[in-house]
Amino acid sequence: GAGVSQSPSNKVTEKGKDVELRCDPISGHTALYWYRQSLGQGLEFLIYFQGNSAPDKSGLPSDRFSAERTGGSVSTLTIQRTQQEDSAVYLCASSSIDRGVTEAFFGQGTRLTVV
Amino acid sequence: KQEVTQIPAALSVPEGENLVLNCSFTDSAIYNLQWFRQDPGKGLTSLLLIQSSQREQTSGRLNASLDKSSGRSTLYIAASQPGDSATYLCAVRPGNYGQNFVFGPGTRLSVLP
Repeated sequence: GAGVSQSPSNKVTEKGKDVELRCDPISGHTALYWYRQSLGQGLEFLIYFQGNSAPDKSGLPSDRFSAERTGGSVSTLTIQRTQQEDSAVYLCASSSIDRGVTEAFFGQGTRLTVV
Repeated sequence: KQEVTQIPAALSVPEGENLVLNCSFTDSAIYNLQWFRQDPGKGLTSLLLIQSSQREQTSGRLNASLDKSSGRSTLYIAASQPGDSATYLCAVRPGNYGQNFVFGPGTRLSVLP
């Protein structure tokens, strides 16, 4: 596709259930990022993948959060045993180097509501 | 640790005015700086990207400048329109390409018809 695609666009889940959020980056982009935006708050970094390097997981808030990127393309963010404070918009972005320029492009996000 | 701030937090102007949004960052060792727009309930749309070696970038009515040594960037919007109403975010990428973006909290802009 032409842009970063995220699915689902909306997800309502019960407290304690596991959820998976998917991100399809722009084809050929080597870097992929996950951010979280709580209501009225700024963007909080979660995790960053760059090529075949070990991901930077320093932003994951707890061990209930994990992410993987298969084949250097699609990424899945998994939240286990969801809590109400996990409710937020989860944003994915990708970027690549083109003649030294690294511009990031974001998807439309997944709005997660934990009830 | 890189920190990014944006002033003002919110701004309301009548249609047609020129306006300036400010972004400051604490560590001048950046790779680039990017301005985004976010509409309510939506993702982020890239507006302008300034590499660390550049002073400014222009796109239509938008002009972004970068003064790396003082840790500042400004986004200038000429002849504002109601459709410009959104939250504007700046983000810096630290000097090592392999690091994530650090975002400011954003400026919420309202352009009144």
